[in-house]
Amino acid sequence: DAGITQSPRHKVTETGTPVTLRCHQTENHRYMYWYRQDPGHGLRLIHYSYGVKDTDKGEVSDGYSVSRSKTEDFLLTLESATSSQTSVYFCAISARDSGNTIYFGEGSWLTVV
Amino acid sequence: DAKTTQPPSMDCAEGRAANLPCNHSTISGNEYVYWYRQIHSQGPQYIIHGLKNNETNEMASLIITEDRKSSTLILPHATLRDTAVYYCIVRGSQGNLIFGKGTKLSVKP
Repeated sequence: DAGITQSPRHKVTETGTPVTLRCHQTENHRYMYWYRQDPGHGLRLIHYSYGVKDTDKGEVSDGYSVSRSKTEDFLLTLESATSSQTSVYFCAISARDSGNTIYFGEGSWLTVV
Repeated sequence: DAKTTQPPSMDCAEGRAANLPCNHSTISGNEYVYWYRQIHSQGPQYIIHGLKNNETNEMASLIITEDRKSSTLILPHATLRDTAVYYCIVRGSQGNLIFGKGTKLSVKP
């Protein structure tokens, strides 16, 4: 299994509070991704990174920001959490773009009340 | 970005081969087809991927048609632990995997 650790694994927070999810990898892979999964929507890309300090938006990036100051860490921040951001968040990593496998973490369950 | 189409659900008897189809008629010539599965709410698990040729590994076989418009994932001897949602995926322009709703495979004793 790829070395991917997500933290926290479970969190309950109040509307309007900031939340940061961390993804840590030990594979030295260049690409890192944040997805969210909701019933009826499958997995949707929030943001991704193609190197240190190089990030870009995915299809559902509104309300989220990311940072990657080190190869091994990719942080997802909800500046002011809303109930619509209640979801399961998955981090993923990949060595290269086309043709390489993307490996997923075990997920972070976030509930915004 | 290329999209995939899969049947929403399938059943398979334990010990028999499970054949999961996928249509990807808009795939471009250099786009790989990936298969993942997700058991309950765990992280998606990689199964196999391919470009043009058929592929086989310890988990499954992938058969891609010559025109690359469709593919079939084959689990040769399905077990109850293979019950999961199976996703046929292509990579988008951002290098990300574009997930559809997948096929819910139920392996029955």
